[in-house]
Amino acid sequence: DAMVIQNPRYQVTQFGKPVTLSCSQTLNHNVMYWYQQKSSQAPKLLFHYYDKDFNNEADTPDNFQSRRPNTSFCFLDIRSPGLGDAAMYLCATSRDRWKGGGINIQYFGAGTRLSVL
Amino acid sequence: AQSVTQLDSHVSVSEGTPVLLRCNYSSSYSPSLFWYVQHPNKGLQLLLKYTSAATLVKGINGFEAEFKKSETSFHLTKPSAHMSDAAEYFCVVSDKPGANNLFFGTGTRLTVIP
Repeated sequence: DAMVIQNPRYQVTQFGKPVTLSCSQTLNHNVMYWYQQKSSQAPKLLFHYYDKDFNNEADTPDNFQSRRPNTSFCFLDIRSPGLGDAAMYLCATSRDRWKGGGINIQYFGAGTRLSVL
Repeated sequence: AQSVTQLDSHVSVSEGTPVLLRCNYSSSYSPSLFWYVQHPNKGLQLLLKYTSAATLVKGINGFEAEFKKSETSFHLTKPSAHMSDAAEYFCVVSDKPGANNLFFGTGTRLTVIP
């Protein structure tokens, strides 16, 4: 049973046309993350929500925004996609922030592959 | 500062032969270490995780990894490769309490030759 669900799996948008990617989770986890993964590269964290608290990575472009209307859903909004934003976008969740000791596992969705024409 | 180095960008093995994917890490704290696998056009699946309880960690699909603090290594092994093991493998470290970043290695692409 899918626990972190991303829709759509494939998204095509036009240069400069806003696009929204969706993520939902059935795990009731407090933390949700968005990663960008470009071809043949490791995933790069864009931002995360700890409950309703939004945490942006310092080098995440302003073009990327996120919304979390409730515990289960989180959205990635790209306001004006450029050709360089074509990538796989991965959503992940974890039960809590890692407090040291033990393990805090992140569970990933299958990803949305974004193409920009 | 924390970092992860995957020593091989590409490993090729014959079906039925052992697999070794190498990973070295650096960390200022006691790290949590993970191996994730990513099949083509799929998300990341957790293979195994390291806790401080045991240095030899067994994961899914016959994979295991050994944490060696003296060598700062967490190499992934499997005794006998299967065609379905062909994928990208990421070694990941998380070490700083309160932080939320997973630090990914650059990945190792495993090819399995029939």
